[in-house]
Amino acid sequence: DQQVKQNSPSLSVQEGRISILNCDYTNSMFDYFLWYKKYPAEGPTFLISISSIKDKNEDGRFTVFLNKSAKHLSLHIVPSQPGDSAVYFCAASQEKAGNNRKLIWGLGTSLAVNP
Amino acid sequence: EAGVAQSPRYKIIEKRQSVAFWCNPISGHATLYWYQQILGQGPKLLIQFQNNGVVDDSQLPKDRFSAERLKGVDSTLKIQPAKLEDSAVYLCASSAGTARNTIYFGEGSWLTVV
Repeated sequence: DQQVKQNSPSLSVQEGRISILNCDYTNSMFDYFLWYKKYPAEGPTFLISISSIKDKNEDGRFTVFLNKSAKHLSLHIVPSQPGDSAVYFCAASQEKAGNNRKLIWGLGTSLAVNP
Repeated sequence: EAGVAQSPRYKIIEKRQSVAFWCNPISGHATLYWYQQILGQGPKLLIQFQNNGVVDDSQLPKDRFSAERLKGVDSTLKIQPAKLEDSAVYLCASSAGTARNTIYFGEGSWLTVV
């Protein structure tokens, strides 16, 4: 039962254009969402996060949008650069007992930015 | 600030052998995680420590996997005996706490079981 779904395994974009990576979730109790980027042979690195009380968070070229009613979030990269080519993971969490959280991960979307 | 350190980076063993991975988290981070990532999948949490106590090990195959964090800092993950399906990247990560704290990952330990 995949609670966090990234339905596009791969995405190819031209340099300078916008990259839009999508993520859907099924658990309405999730209240915190994160995007991680992973290069080959490296561990995932944190990119950007958003709390469920917001619908947008922006950090430089990266913006995450959250649509709670649709249980959907997206990561926009503008403008896309070849160095953005990586696998992008969406993750979600909810607060549990003892202020503990467990991240639920999507399967990832492989982004290729072509020069 | 030093990141999460892991060793070894790569390991090839035969099935039924044992292997151990070591992790040193970011200084001051109370929470330490071990994840298993199989190619084409997202990270799967194996075990989570808060200081030296286990918070979640529900997905740890306890018949063959074990992990410890004796002094609340470094941690080791052991697999004995290894199976072919254990071939994966083992990622150690740490965070300052278990609330909305960013999780920082190490580079991973790549295991191939032949």
